[in-house]
Amino acid sequence: QQQVKQSPQSLIVQKGGISIINCAYENTAFDYFPWYQQFPGKGPALLIAIRPDVSEKKEGRFTISFNKSAKQFSLHIMDSQPGDSATYFCAGYNTGNQFYFGTGTSLTVIP
Amino acid sequence: EAGVTQFPSHSVIEKGQTVTLRCDPISGHDNLYWYRRVMGKEIKFLLHFVKESKQDESGMPNNRFLAERTGGTYSTLKVQPAELEDSGVYFCASSQVRWDNEQFFGPGTRLTVL
Repeated sequence: QQQVKQSPQSLIVQKGGISIINCAYENTAFDYFPWYQQFPGKGPALLIAIRPDVSEKKEGRFTISFNKSAKQFSLHIMDSQPGDSATYFCAGYNTGNQFYFGTGTSLTVIP
Repeated sequence: EAGVTQFPSHSVIEKGQTVTLRCDPISGHDNLYWYRRVMGKEIKFLLHFVKESKQDESGMPNNRFLAERTGGTYSTLKVQPAELEDSGVYFCASSQVRWDNEQFFGPGTRLTVL
């Protein structure tokens, strides 16, 4: 069964707006939660990641919010830009095991 | 530094044929992973090599799939015979440290089985 559920499937945001992508997980053994960004014709690339001992991590315009009790985490993109248009994947990872990815969110930022 | 490369970028074959995908990891990366994404679904783990040894192949769908990594360098993934449900994008990733949190992905091979 799917261990990481991601929503929405697609998202359209105006330039300057906030993009929010949500993920939920089942496996409480996960100890690392990365977000990957994929541009057309390229492979996924690590964007930002968080460990469950913190509730938020911010890198520039990208922020992960983490809610351990709800087993949910989300990616917030502030001041969204057309160059942010890409597919975003969340994932859960248990050290020594394998990555479990979400189904991806296609983000389009309209100028 | 060159990234992970994959060949071919696209492959269209008929059901029952054989296809071989190739992955060249980043130089010096002992760990190599194969993943597959069926359209609209999640990226799914297939297997993990450490150098030339298969460390974990629990994600391989069935015995029609054969992965090799000769000499611990590049890797091949052969599908024989291909079925319709094998269509998808096959990604390869590599990392320097075993199960390093950051894996570097290649651009993928889009496989279409008709």
